[in-house]
Amino acid sequence: GAVVSQHPSWVICKSGTSVKIECRSLDFQATTMFWYRQFPKQSLMLMATSNEGSKATYEQGVEKDKFLINHASLTLSTLTVTSAHPEDSSFYICSASDRSPASVFHEQYFGPGTRLTVT
Amino acid sequence: GQNIDQPTEMTATEGAIVQINCTYQTSGFNGLFWYQQHAGEAPTFLSYNVLDGLEEKGRFSSFLSRSKGYSYLLLKELQMKDSASYLCAVGGADNRKLIWGLGTSLAVNP
Repeated sequence: GAVVSQHPSWVICKSGTSVKIECRSLDFQATTMFWYRQFPKQSLMLMATSNEGSKATYEQGVEKDKFLINHASLTLSTLTVTSAHPEDSSFYICSASDRSPASVFHEQYFGPGTRLTVT
Repeated sequence: GQNIDQPTEMTATEGAIVQINCTYQTSGFNGLFWYQQHAGEAPTFLSYNVLDGLEEKGRFSSFLSRSKGYSYLLLKELQMKDSASYLCAVGGADNRKLIWGLGTSLAVNP
């Protein structure tokens, strides 16, 4: 149980285009989903926390107009990287929790990640 | 500031035991996580310590000393598949997010 999927697993896009990444909880209701970004040989960086049906909470320094997060249902959250640039190339990972209100101290279930390359 | 320190790399032999240390300085403490991350994959949960002492789970054990700001992950009977990065993450006063270490890259050699 507690499986989280992400789609696509990898994507290459041209600079200036937008890319949507989906995160789905397959066998539980994810009241909260977290979006992380990880650059090579660096830590996981939390970008935002999203609760179903409400606006996402973005971490300091993360542009909410560039990284659009939608958590429209209890099993799906999407991250859209708008007007992508090469510096946005990274490994994007989502995680989900079935606790509400979610705290990161509850176990999170991670998706397999999406590798984005912007050329 | 807040920081987490782990060794960058470690090497061990198949069948041996290895201990990966993690020290932390955070404002507040709400538990410490260990995650395993294989190259190109997402982290997988290994353990969570919130009280002092040793938690054993199969070949993996995790220890916490809150007074020393110290934890270790102990891996026994090492297997080749244990070659991965091991991430230490701490819940600080801000309960919305974890503070992540850079990870320790463990190479298990035959």
